[in-house]
Amino acid sequence: KTQVEQSPQSLVVRQGENCVLQCNYSVTPDNHLRWFKQDTGKGLVSLTVLVHENDKTSNGRYSATLDKDAKHSTLHITATLLDDTATYICVVADRGSALGRLHFGAGTQLIVIP
Amino acid sequence: DMKVTQMPRYLIKRMGENVLLECGQDMSHETMYWYRQDPGLGLQLIYISYDVDSNSEGDIPKGYRVSRKKREHFSLILDSAKTNQTSVYFCASHGTGGPDTQYFGPGTRLLVL
Repeated sequence: KTQVEQSPQSLVVRQGENCVLQCNYSVTPDNHLRWFKQDTGKGLVSLTVLVHENDKTSNGRYSATLDKDAKHSTLHITATLLDDTATYICVVADRGSALGRLHFGAGTQLIVIP
Repeated sequence: DMKVTQMPRYLIKRMGENVLLECGQDMSHETMYWYRQDPGLGLQLIYISYDVDSNSEGDIPKGYRVSRKKREHFSLILDSAKTNQTSVYFCASHGTGGPDTQYFGPGTRLLVL
C-alpha cells in the first residue's frame, strides 16, 4: 500500500502564477520529510527538508509546511517560471539516520506554460 | 556539482543479456542504495549497502544482485535481464550527518528489448 500520496497528479499553470502541491502520508514513525525537484531525465534535487512538527521552510520561491499530526505537507511555488516545469517528489523518512527507510511519493508533474 | 555518479546513463539490452550498472561517490559515505523509478510509482528500493560487503535486500530485490567491494563503488547486476526490468535506476548515498547528507545520482535509463 502506498504510504505517500501526492496531489494533484499533474498541474498546468501559467508563468507567474502561484501553485500548491500536496503530500499526505501514513509513514510511522515520520522522522523528516523532504521535497525534491526532478527535471525530465535527470536526478532528484533537494528543495527543502522539514523535520519538526509545524515546520515551515523557505528557499527562494519555494516554501513548505509540515503538519505531523495530520501527516500532511504542502509545497508552495510562487511566481512560477518556465524552468519550474518538473516533477516534484515528496519523500518521508522513518528515521533520521542512514539506517532509515525512505518512502517516495509518485510525484506531481508541474507544467508551466508561457 | 554531481557527487554521485552513474554509468552508463543510457543502456539498451536484449532480454537474457547481463547488465551491469555502476555507481560511484566521492564522499566516503558508508550507506548506498539502488532504486528503480517507473511511471506513476514512487522510487522503489532494490538494495541497500551499509558498507563494503554488507548488503541487504530492499523491497524489490528479485532479479537483481549487487556488489560493493570498495566503499566508493556500488554495482547493480541483472543476470539475464527481463523486459519488465526496463526502468530508470537511481543510485544514492547517505552520510552520517542526517538528512542533508543524502545525495542521488542522475539515473540510468535501461531499456530491455
